[in-house]
Amino acid sequence: QQQVKQSPQSLIVQKGGISIINCAYENTAFDYFPWYQQFPGKGPALLIAIRPDVSEKKEGRFTISFNKSAKQFSLHIMDSQPGDSATYFCAASMYSNYQLIWGAGTKLIIKP
Amino acid sequence: KAGVTQTPRYLIKTRGQQVTLSCSPISGHRSVSWYQQTPGQGLQFLFEYFSETQRNKGNFPGRFSGRQFSNSRSEMNVSTLELGDSALYLCASSLGTSGRGEQFFGPGTRLTVL
Repeated sequence: QQQVKQSPQSLIVQKGGISIINCAYENTAFDYFPWYQQFPGKGPALLIAIRPDVSEKKEGRFTISFNKSAKQFSLHIMDSQPGDSATYFCAASMYSNYQLIWGAGTKLIIKP
Repeated sequence: KAGVTQTPRYLIKTRGQQVTLSCSPISGHRSVSWYQQTPGQGLQFLFEYFSETQRNKGNFPGRFSGRQFSNSRSEMNVSTLELGDSALYLCASSLGTSGRGEQFFGPGTRLTVL
């Protein structure tokens, strides 16, 4: 029940296309859902985060969509660029437990 | 503002040895978390320290231990190294609780166990 399931494991998208990464969770107590981006040789960095009181949050070309009833959230990257090629991690946490639960990661490759 | 620093960046050890990794968080950050990252297992949470107290611990054997000093700097120790301990060890700091706000990651320490 503590798991966050992330899919797909890897994704290849053409430049200019839309990249979509999905995450699902079971524990309805989760109330904080961040996405992290990791480039090779670097540590992950926070990309965007959402709380369940909103269904969508957009920052530039990156959008989180949140479906509370389905217990799913997804990252959409519009107009994907080669510089977006990285590994993306979703995560979740709840107020009563400080630990961030991580998805397994998605390796995204944007083909020029 | 300086970022999270980790030392050393690379380390080669042999089975049975022990190793200590160091992490200096961003100034003012009180929480330090440690993660193990391997190609097949993704990011695995080791433990979190907040104001010198271990607040959370992942599912790792007792060979993995850590501590945090009064200046928030943290060390992680792995005793009796095994081949499977070869991984990138990441440290992350945050202002408050690690799971409730942005975590800032260091570049990691690449540990190779021969």
